[in-house]
Amino acid sequence: TQLLEQSPQFLSIQEGENLTVYCNSSSVFSSLQWYRQEPGEGPVLLVTVVTGGEVKKLKRLTFQFGDARKDSSLHITAAQPGDTGLYLCAGARTSGSRLTFGEGTQLTVNP
Amino acid sequence: DAGITQSPRYKITETGRQVTLMCHQTWSHSYMFWYRQDLGHGLRLIYYSAAADITDKGEVPDGYVVSRSKTENFPLTLESATRSQTSVYFCASSDRLAGHNYEQYFGPGTRLTVT
Repeated sequence: TQLLEQSPQFLSIQEGENLTVYCNSSSVFSSLQWYRQEPGEGPVLLVTVVTGGEVKKLKRLTFQFGDARKDSSLHITAAQPGDTGLYLCAGARTSGSRLTFGEGTQLTVNP
Repeated sequence: DAGITQSPRYKITETGRQVTLMCHQTWSHSYMFWYRQDLGHGLRLIYYSAAADITDKGEVPDGYVVSRSKTENFPLTLESATRSQTSVYFCASSDRLAGHNYEQYFGPGTRLTVT
C-alpha cells in the first residue's frame, strides 16, 4: 500500500506568519497534487508537480516536489485568514488513474 | 457550466434501508470516483470507473454497489445501510489529457447519516 503522510495534522497560526506543510512517502509517484478543501465543499485542485525538484508558485503558495519524487512541501508566506482550510496532498502512480491521498493538514489562520 | 453535481446534499436514513447517491458530470470525463471522508481517515476510495460499463473496487468497497451505464452518471448504492456508513461522500471525475496528470475534480459532497 502506498501511503502518504502529511504533517502537521493541525496548524493554527496568526495572520502574517509563514508556514510549511509536508507530504512524505516511501514510494515514488509520477506526479503529486495539492488540494484545498473548505467546510461543506469538495476538495479543489491547487497545483500538480511532476518533475523531481520542481517548484511551482501560486501567489503566496510555493509547492516543491522532492528530487526522488517521494515527498512534497507546501509553503505559505504571510498567511491570510482566507488560507484557512484542509490541505490534502495526493500522489498518482506511474500508471492508472487512482490517487493516494494523505490525511490532510487542517490550517487555521487567525486574524 | 454545471461541472460535477451530487444529490442529495444531505440524507438521513435508517439502518437496513437501501439508499442511492447520485453523481453527474458534464465534462465527459472518462474516469469517475467515489470516496468517503471520515475524521482520522482522510479520503478513502470506494469504487471507481474508467469508462461506461467499467467499474473497479477501491480500498473500502464492502456494502456498496456502483453502476455506470452512461459516461456522465455514476450512482453509488448502499444496499443495506449501516451506522458505520455514516460519512461524507464525494464523487470526482478526471480525464487523461495531454499535459494533465489525472487531476481530479470533486463534487460538493453528500452528508449521509444512518440512524
